[in-house]
Amino acid sequence: DTGVSQDPRHKITKRGQNVTFRCDPISEHNRLYWYRQTLGQGPEFLTYFQNEAQLEKSRLLSDRFSAERPKGSFSTLEIQRTEQGDSAMYLCASSPRGGGAYNEQFFGPGTRLTVL
Amino acid sequence: AQSVAQPEDQVNVAEGNPLTVKCTYSVSGNPYLFWYVQYPNRGLQFLLKYITGDNLVKGSYGFEAEFNKSQTSFHLKKPSALVSDSALYFCAVRGDPSGTYKYIFGTGTRLKVLA
Repeated sequence: DTGVSQDPRHKITKRGQNVTFRCDPISEHNRLYWYRQTLGQGPEFLTYFQNEAQLEKSRLLSDRFSAERPKGSFSTLEIQRTEQGDSAMYLCASSPRGGGAYNEQFFGPGTRLTVL
Repeated sequence: AQSVAQPEDQVNVAEGNPLTVKCTYSVSGNPYLFWYVQYPNRGLQFLLKYITGDNLVKGSYGFEAEFNKSQTSFHLKKPSALVSDSALYFCAVRGDPSGTYKYIFGTGTRLKVLA
């Protein structure tokens, strides 16, 4: 399977714990996005990487959230001191280099986070 | 500020009938518009996009969308609905130039095709 993969698919944690999610984009894609999706809502932008550079981070994102893409391939999203409001589906998407802003995104299956 | 609206939470249509799922947008600059579909327990899949050129865009699975600049709309259409089209549909937009890499997604419209 050469699509976007995310790990884990499900994560249950207790309030206050730290969690880390991984995204493996399609191999030749240099653009990578993280989104959060809650029930009844569309994906909400969290952050964007072009290669290893994090070029944009949503102002809605608190300092408890951090993302990395150290070698321009896989990416990790860490949430520190989780809160119940962090419960959501976390989506990763990638798109190929070139084409400017109008390449379609290829989404992974998501990681569903439940904070108890 | 960029925004996108999907005014209908759910659209019901009989199999074989034409379907329309509505989307309106607001961006500065020229819009880049997208439709994605989400099937149960599967990731979002790209359907089609409008960047420039012909206002009628054709995409996957027989879907098409019409860009209307004066009405700032990008409605998704299909001439004959299938039961298998039942899914959650999202419209997304990004303005150009926008000063941001962010795409804005609508809240989604659930399409139910009845046999």
